[in-house]
Amino acid sequence: AQTVTQSQPEMSVQEAETVTLSCTYDTSENNYYLFWYKQPPSRQMILVIRQEAYKQQNATENRFSVNFQKAAKSFSLKISDSQLGDTAMYFCAFMKRHSGGYQKVTFGTGTKLQVIP
Amino acid sequence: NAGVTQTPKFRVLKTGQSMTLLCAQDMNHEYMYWYRQDPGMGLRLIHYSVGEGTTAKGEVPDGYNVSRLKKQNFLLGLESAAPSQTSVYFCASSDPGQIYEQYFGPGTRLTVT
Repeated sequence: AQTVTQSQPEMSVQEAETVTLSCTYDTSENNYYLFWYKQPPSRQMILVIRQEAYKQQNATENRFSVNFQKAAKSFSLKISDSQLGDTAMYFCAFMKRHSGGYQKVTFGTGTKLQVIP
Repeated sequence: NAGVTQTPKFRVLKTGQSMTLLCAQDMNHEYMYWYRQDPGMGLRLIHYSVGEGTTAKGEVPDGYNVSRLKKQNFLLGLESAAPSQTSVYFCASSDPGQIYEQYFGPGTRLTVT
């Protein structure tokens, strides 16, 4: 079974600064996908960024980027130029296409990020 | 497009009562899921469906039942609510042709007293 570990329950960052959220995972699979989801106080789960394991290049989406280290099974999220709207819970997630055809996703326990004005 | 909607948004139940949570999606997605979110535990899969008329157990199915009579709807039932089922429930949907992303509803906060 896959496990996803987020070792930082809470973090804070000054507005306009950069912050990195950590995520490690454990799997014996070779082909999989990794995601970061954002959950603001509204509770809506929003996909921030995704990474396909077979791609060596790190994914980037505007101010959000990842550092994907496949051998180390590490998938950290970097938020640059932090904004107040980035205040949220962030979940790391692992997905392997299940043999039954559905997409089994394993979530980490989340990191609560507070952006300070 | 409304995306994924959930009804109701909030509910308080007494132990032993029953209720049904409704999830609806207008994206014609084949796959639908029910998760529960508890503090410090992330999201855990309760049940899922890979198509109309099909359902399957996820990680934490005990105490819940589901039905998918129509492709766009996925119902989650609690026959006899227990305080341990106090949680936030999320529905999600996805398309097998779009393997990247699950689309989530806004969640239902359920309290069982």
